[in-house]
Amino acid sequence: SQKIEQNSEALNIQEGKTATLTCNYTNYSPAYLQWYRQDPGRGPVFLLLIRENEKEKRKERLKVTFDTTLKQSLFHITASQPADSATYLCALLPSGGSYIPTFGRGTSLIVHP
Amino acid sequence: GAGVSQSPSNKVTEKGKDVELRCDPISGHTALYWYRQSLGQGLEFLIYFQGNSAPDKSGLPSDRFSAERTGESVSTLTIQRTQQEDSAVYLCASGMGTGARSYGYTFGSGTRLTVV
Repeated sequence: SQKIEQNSEALNIQEGKTATLTCNYTNYSPAYLQWYRQDPGRGPVFLLLIRENEKEKRKERLKVTFDTTLKQSLFHITASQPADSATYLCALLPSGGSYIPTFGRGTSLIVHP
Repeated sequence: GAGVSQSPSNKVTEKGKDVELRCDPISGHTALYWYRQSLGQGLEFLIYFQGNSAPDKSGLPSDRFSAERTGESVSTLTIQRTQQEDSAVYLCASGMGTGARSYGYTFGSGTRLTVV
């Protein structure tokens, strides 16, 4: 069955460092991979999307990579700030007729000042 | 409106009662999704609307759950005879049609349902 794995343990880093979060998947061939941020008591907020034929996307301090051979996406936040502390979710979408995003459980990021 | 609006934000109900949760998507967004999120769990897909039609209801956990959408706008998720295991945050998301997977989805803040 399809499986999406994100680190269940919180990632603790120091302000100014680069945070790297991982999204691994099995039994899935996504055409699109999205990353969202979720704060406590709020819904997820869309950050970035990467397509299967793209290796890397950047937006300000954010960078996403997508390796369809390794079945993995990495999400990087450079020069991290305490305000970046949140849970980050990846979502996979197939090509073809299904339009249902499947979400990972998310990884909590804590940036210490 | 500017965002996806969900109401109520919190709902406490007694076991066995029916509840209705409402979602107002972004105007013009034809795709609408309902998800459920339990504490420490991921987002569990419930149902997807494209316009007023629901081509995928595969995530509804039982026949106690139903949803409808009218006017390609407001959607209501109804849970009949609520059970304690229905307690969760119910999230609604909308997107610009089938192309939304290229642009991302906009979520509401959710309805926290507690069944006592």
